[in-house]
Amino acid sequence: KAGVTQTPRYLIKTRGQQVTLSCSPISGHRSVSWYQQTPGQGLQFLFEYFSETQRNKGNFPGRFSGRQFSNSRSEMNVSTLELGDSALYLCASSPRGGPYNEQFFGPGTRLTVL
Amino acid sequence: AQSVTQLGSHVSVSEGALVLLRCNYSSSVPPYLFWYVQYPNQGLQLLLKYTSAATLVKGINGFEAEFKKSETSFHLTKPSAHMSDAAEYFCAVSDRNYGGSQGNLIFGKGTKLSVKP
Repeated sequence: KAGVTQTPRYLIKTRGQQVTLSCSPISGHRSVSWYQQTPGQGLQFLFEYFSETQRNKGNFPGRFSGRQFSNSRSEMNVSTLELGDSALYLCASSPRGGPYNEQFFGPGTRLTVL
Repeated sequence: AQSVTQLGSHVSVSEGALVLLRCNYSSSVPPYLFWYVQYPNQGLQLLLKYTSAATLVKGINGFEAEFKKSETSFHLTKPSAHMSDAAEYFCAVSDRNYGGSQGNLIFGKGTKLSVKP
């Protein structure tokens, strides 16, 4: 089975712009979660989608949003970019989500905000 | 709320030496615990997980971890380090309530493991 894929792998934007990141989960996985990784804050949970519905949300401002399509692919959007949004954004998929199911991570999208 | 503390942001060992990476957790419910490894410019790969079965959990690449409820610990060990083990290791707890379906992971800050020849 193909793993979790994320596009693009690298992205450079300027402050005030918006960006959309894409994640394709492992075939058959219905849960997709997004995490932000920075040197200062470490890995932080953004949100989880399951069957096209946001099931869980972390403590991030409303500028961060996401959605999931009927084929389980997911996108996250960040509007009005700030310098502090520079980070590695990781997507993870799981068959059904939930507390004990393994999450499979993609390679991430490295976002740099100038 | 659940939380994870990893003691030591950097650990250096010699090739062939014991690897011990420390993780302590805080959880109001029986925890589900995970260790992930991240190699440079890659995502996270699951090493092992504890889901309330055996307290000694064996994972991939010769790693294992022991769940100790009395010490609220889930330390990761490997008897003999290889150069290829050099990476960053993250301990995580599943953020959940009894009967809850949410399962997002709460990660520790990570421990970078260096292996000297």
